Amino acid sequence: GAGVSQSPRYKVAKRGQDVALRCDPISGHVSLFWYQQALGQGPEFLTYFQNEAQLDKSGLPSDRFFAERPEGSVSTLKIQRTQQEDSAVYLCASSRQGPNTEAFFGQGTRLTVV
Amino acid sequence: AQSVAQPEDQVNVAEGNPLTVKCTYSVSGNPYLFWYVQYPNRGLQFLLKYITGDNLVKGSYGFEAEFNKSQTSFHLKKPSALVSDSALYFCAVRDAGTGKLIFGQGTTLQVKP
Repeated sequence: GAGVSQSPRYKVAKRGQDVALRCDPISGHVSLFWYQQALGQGPEFLTYFQNEAQLDKSGLPSDRFFAERPEGSVSTLKIQRTQQEDSAVYLCASSRQGPNTEAFFGQGTRLTVV
Repeated sequence: AQSVAQPEDQVNVAEGNPLTVKCTYSVSGNPYLFWYVQYPNRGLQFLLKYITGDNLVKGSYGFEAEFNKSQTSFHLKKPSALVSDSALYFCAVRDAGTGKLIFGQGTTLQVKP
């Protein structure tokens, strides 16, 4: 596709509900990242994939957060038993390999836990 | 640990005037520095990057940034601001190992007619 696509754009979940957020990266991009952005803050790193391998999950805030990219393309971020503090915008980004390449971001999924 | 700091929460300029949005960095090794812009309810859009070479980097929409190693700064600039430049700007450093971006807190740019 032309850019990184995320779905849904908006999600309202009741506290305790499980949610799944989808990211379609740019075709051919090896690297995929998930970030969490709280209101008025900069994005915070959650996890990183190189192809299907999850190489860094140091930013995941708890074991309720789980991410996968089984075929090295589409990725899903799952949050179990959502809590109010999980309310944020979840951004996905993809890039070619290497720190000198720019990452391209999707529009994000705004999660509101009520 | 790598980090960036954006010392100003908000910058106000009049349309047609030059603008500067400040960023300082702290990295070990070579810095890979980026600027992104975020419009309301939108994702982040890449503006420009510094990898190596010329200290003045030119990017999208007429923006440029000046890399200053001695001052560990990477300020974003534009010679003549437009009202449509009003948005949230993020400076970021990219980790050489994982490639993850470490963002500053962001600076809101307000350009008034």
